[in-house]
Amino acid sequence: DAKTTQPPSMDCAEGRAANLPCNHSTISGNEYVYWYRQIHSQGPQYIIHGLKNNETNEMASLIITEDRKSSTLILPHATLRDTAVYYCIVRVDFGNEKLTFGTGTRLTIIP
Amino acid sequence: NAGVTQTPKFQVLKTGQSMTLQCAQDMNHEYMSWYRQDPGMGLRLIHYSVGAGITDQGEVPNGYNVSRSTTEDFPLRLLSAAPSQTSVYFCASRVRQGNTEAFFGQGTRLTVV
Repeated sequence: DAKTTQPPSMDCAEGRAANLPCNHSTISGNEYVYWYRQIHSQGPQYIIHGLKNNETNEMASLIITEDRKSSTLILPHATLRDTAVYYCIVRVDFGNEKLTFGTGTRLTIIP
Repeated sequence: NAGVTQTPKFQVLKTGQSMTLQCAQDMNHEYMSWYRQDPGMGLRLIHYSVGAGITDQGEVPNGYNVSRSTTEDFPLRLLSAAPSQTSVYFCASRVRQGNTEAFFGQGTRLTVV
C-alpha cells in the first residue's frame, strides 16, 4: 500500500470548512483513497472514499487531484463533534484487507 | 443491528496469563480483522479473516492466535500475555464484495502488568 503523509495537527473555527490534506505521491492506479476518523478513544469511523473522481456524502467531500498524488477531505461546516484524529489511507480493494493507519491529523474545532 | 461488538471493554492481566478477546458482528460480513493501537500511534493489523475457516497474519501477529469457525465471531487469543501487549484492541468487519467501508468495534483496553 502507498504511504500517506498528513499534517500532525490542525485547528478550525466552528462553522467554517475544515480542509484536511493528504499526500500519497506513490499511489498506484488501483489504490483507493479512504478517510476514517477516530473520536477520542472510540473505534475508527468511516467517512468517505474515492478512486479518482471527487466524492461527496452526508459527512464530507473528497477532492482528489488529477494526478492522484494528493487529496483533501472537506468537512463543510465543522462542529465541535468533528474534533478527532483523521486518517487518510490508500489501499487496493480486493485481496487486501489491511488498512494502513498512519498517525493521522488531529483536528481541533475551536468554538 | 448491534454492529461489531467487542468484549470485554477493559481487562487487566498478569504477565504470562492467557485470555481471549471476543468480537462478534451481526451484519453477515465476510471480512473480519483485529488491530492494536498503542498510545499516540495509528492502528496496526494483527490478524484477519476473509471468511469462516480462513485466517491470515497481519503486520504484528506474534503472540496472538485467531480462529474463525463462524461468520459472526472472530476471537483473538493471547497465549502468554506480556507487558508489550498492553494496548487498545479493535475488531473490524466489512463485506467482501465491492469497495466497502470497514465497521469497527469500540475497542478493548488491555493492560498487562
